[in-house]
Amino acid sequence: QPVLTQPSSHSASSGASVRLTCMLSSGFSVGDFWIRWYQQKPGNPPRYLLYYHSDSNKGQGSGVPSRFSGSNDASANAGILRISGLQPEDEADYYCGTWHSNSWVFGGGTKLTVL
Amino acid sequence: EVQLVESGGGLVQPGGPLRLSCAVSGFTFSSEAMSWVRQGPGQGLEWVSAISGSGSTTYYADSVKGRFTISRDNSKNSLYLQMSGLRAEDTAVYYCAIGLYQLDYWGQGTLVTVSS
Repeated sequence: QPVLTQPSSHSASSGASVRLTCMLSSGFSVGDFWIRWYQQKPGNPPRYLLYYHSDSNKGQGSGVPSRFSGSNDASANAGILRISGLQPEDEADYYCGTWHSNSWVFGGGTKLTVL
Repeated sequence: EVQLVESGGGLVQPGGPLRLSCAVSGFTFSSEAMSWVRQGPGQGLEWVSAISGSGSTTYYADSVKGRFTISRDNSKNSLYLQMSGLRAEDTAVYYCAIGLYQLDYWGQGTLVTVSS
């Protein structure tokens, strides 16, 4: 089963762009996976943001602003969540996840702080 | 509007049983696979189980296999998680979510605390 590794925390200034990474464990290639991203604010359930597999196979969650986007970094073997024009309300925990071999695998989550 | 409302959580002794329910509305329940995901205190997300729209196929995390049973009643628009042999490490908020490969919508969750 793959392991998804996310930095535990990340901070950026309001208005900036940020790249949150989700690194896939050795032996697995990010290009073979559909990576989903979720946002969770304190006291709330996770909210589905988007998925990314390739530029021709990606999707946005309902009502999710276009400033949230996904991509892959093949050199880092990682899925990427990009948030542009960072806003204070983007401060939250962000989880990546994928369905593989009849089960879900989630990353440990990144706590994003907006300065 | 899609709604998922979990219930049935509470304090249970180690080794005891508990049954969670998830009542849904706002979509065609029988057409959608459903999942349970849990989150321990201050922890990340852990997938627990999933079931196909018809209920004929079920999936379980290794950590709960043999102890938890997922089921659904499409006539009642309800999803269930029967838990037995509960352990302290099962303490978590349990969320129901729509989907199998993609967890589109989540309920607010119900807290299960396993403690003597």
